[in-house]
Amino acid sequence: IAGITQAPTSQILAAGRRMTLRCTQDMRHNAMYWYRQDLGLGLRLIHYSNTAGTTGKGEVPDGYSVSRANTDDFPLTLASAVPSQTSVYFCASAQGGGTDTQYFGPGTRLTVL
Amino acid sequence: GQNIDQPTEMTATEGAIVQINCTYQTSGFNGLFWYQQHAGEAPTFLSYNVLDGLEEKGRFSSFLSRSKGYSYLLLKELQMKDSASYLCAGVDSNYQLIWGAGTKLIIKP
Repeated sequence: IAGITQAPTSQILAAGRRMTLRCTQDMRHNAMYWYRQDLGLGLRLIHYSNTAGTTGKGEVPDGYSVSRANTDDFPLTLASAVPSQTSVYFCASAQGGGTDTQYFGPGTRLTVL
Repeated sequence: GQNIDQPTEMTATEGAIVQINCTYQTSGFNGLFWYQQHAGEAPTFLSYNVLDGLEEKGRFSSFLSRSKGYSYLLLKELQMKDSASYLCAGVDSNYQLIWGAGTKLIIKP
């Protein structure tokens, strides 16, 4: 692995189903982030983690949960998917917080029907 | 509230120069990022400014005026591969990024 990876690449999901989006980085970055990107809107922060074992809520956390059991992995879970969660989801990582450059994964395109 | 404004779309000609503007209102300010995003791909880092002035990096330059809450990205000698969206993001007092909706740049031959 080189950099940051996400899985799956795309997914079609029935409303009400549970779904976990995976994110793994091999850069030993402390900070990790989950964003959603919708047409006409900027990237919106869902949840973040400044270091392994800690997480925080971003701008749009409702309906999503995260965990950070180790440095490399930062999964995002939709407990019961709804159509408004149809979006492209990007995971990102940074060496530290705030002013450090964020490196983005390739994204997961999720459609909830 | 916090807000980042940038034009939705711009068109320019191959070989020309284009300036993409960004105005920001954030609670506190800890710098401003520019990212490039090709269609269907992830954003990639272009520049970070925290001090006033112009920073040049090859064909791309980024300018910041903290007093005016204003930044621009200048792209010179435009190439077809520069067709992409350009995202402006301000860093607020909590060191979180506030993102603009992006400017789609269309390059014509």
